[in-house]
Amino acid sequence: DTEVTQTPKHLVMGMTNKKSLKCEQHMGHRAMYWYKQKAKKPPELMFVYSYEKLSINESVPSRFSPECPNSSLLNLHLHALQPEDSALYLCASSRTSGIYNEQFFGPGTRLTVL
Amino acid sequence: AQTVTQSQPEMSVQEAETVTLSCTYDTSESDYYLFWYKQPPSRQMILVIRQEAYKQQNATENRFSVNFQKAAKSFSLKISDSQLGDAAMYFCADIQGAQKLVFGQGTRLTINP
Repeated sequence: DTEVTQTPKHLVMGMTNKKSLKCEQHMGHRAMYWYKQKAKKPPELMFVYSYEKLSINESVPSRFSPECPNSSLLNLHLHALQPEDSALYLCASSRTSGIYNEQFFGPGTRLTVL
Repeated sequence: AQTVTQSQPEMSVQEAETVTLSCTYDTSESDYYLFWYKQPPSRQMILVIRQEAYKQQNATENRFSVNFQKAAKSFSLKISDSQLGDAAMYFCADIQGAQKLVFGQGTRLTINP
């Protein structure tokens, strides 16, 4: 299984809602990543988890809260988002963190904040 | 800060022809990897090819090859025998600080039948 899955595919939420994005991989990878991609722009790193511990937070606002309950699962909890947070959210995983490890991407969740 | 630059926002090529996408990068690291990712309309980022900086030999994957010029910090992607399925946004990227992928702005490739 060389797949990273993400649910839901699309999400529309109001600014007062609380929602979560889910990412799952069964490749035995121990590093997982969240990226944000605005339209016609490249992905930008948000968070990195290595061995279920948060290792990088790219100064992301606290309305985005990541969670890694186990080595296969990565969540992104959303609360009080702004319309400018509308974007494609991509999850990725790699065998471990480090330059030698290819990152495998999921198909993304398209988020719209009203 | 490390930067990756793709100077061609859009490129087009006739089916079965060859096209080259350009990328330059700037890094102070002594050991690094460079990547080309493809993102079709389906949105999923797919690794096309990667180059290890310490290897002088250019990487090749079937119809895809790179021209890696380390001194010039240049990393171009050549697609031979272009196919309709190659149409996508192509991102050049390098790995920063051992964990962070830094992407260029992307080149949208159109394949003309």
